[in-house]
Amino acid sequence: EIVLTQSPATLSLSPGERATLSCRASQSVSTYLAWYQQKPGQAPRLLIYDASNRATGIPARFSGSGSGTDFTLTISSLEPEDFAVYYCQQRSKWPPLTFGGGTKVEIK
Amino acid sequence: QVQLVESGGGVVQPGRSLRLSCAASGFTFSSYSLHWVRQAPGKGLEWVAVISYDVSNKYYADSVKGRFTISRDNSKSTLYLQMNSLRADDTAVYYCARDRVEFGDYEPYSYYCMDVWGKGTTVTVSS
Repeated sequence: EIVLTQSPATLSLSPGERATLSCRASQSVSTYLAWYQQKPGQAPRLLIYDASNRATGIPARFSGSGSGTDFTLTISSLEPEDFAVYYCQQRSKWPPLTFGGGTKVEIK
Repeated sequence: QVQLVESGGGVVQPGRSLRLSCAASGFTFSSYSLHWVRQAPGKGLEWVAVISYDVSNKYYADSVKGRFTISRDNSKSTLYLQMNSLRADDTAVYYCARDRVEFGDYEPYSYYCMDVWGKGTTVTVSS
């Protein structure tokens, strides 16, 4: 099973700042990595698929990069609605599809 | 609009069974693979199972294999999860989710990530 490790666990930032979230895989997943956003009491929302492709309707301030074992989700300038928990998910070797443990982006 | 609505959650005793349903609307249900994903209280996301658009393939997480069964009725645009021998650690919000698919000249291409989610239904296993 591929294990995804997200860091940091919590990121404290102010609106307008840049957020950089990391996801590291226990073995190469090529570019088969997705990112999701989840707000309290809501279902997750797909942001990025295949490492760098924005899903439908996702603002351009969200970008993904990386390949192999190291991936980054960048939010170029945090909006108030971006404070949430972010998860990565791999589809390279499955079953099982696996998620990272999440990074919480909180208001500083 | 594209929508998934789960139902069937509740409080159940350990060892008992429960069946979840997920009603879909706003898209061609029979063209998409569908997933169940769960989230224990205060925890992260855990993939549970997936069923292909044509029912030819079903895959499960090890934690539920042999106890849970995923199925679908394309004539009713409904996804199901039959959960047997429930345990306390099955307590979670259960989400159904649509696979991200691209349609080309041949079979649909599944990305095995989830682009539409329901709001979830809560399952609590407790005596």
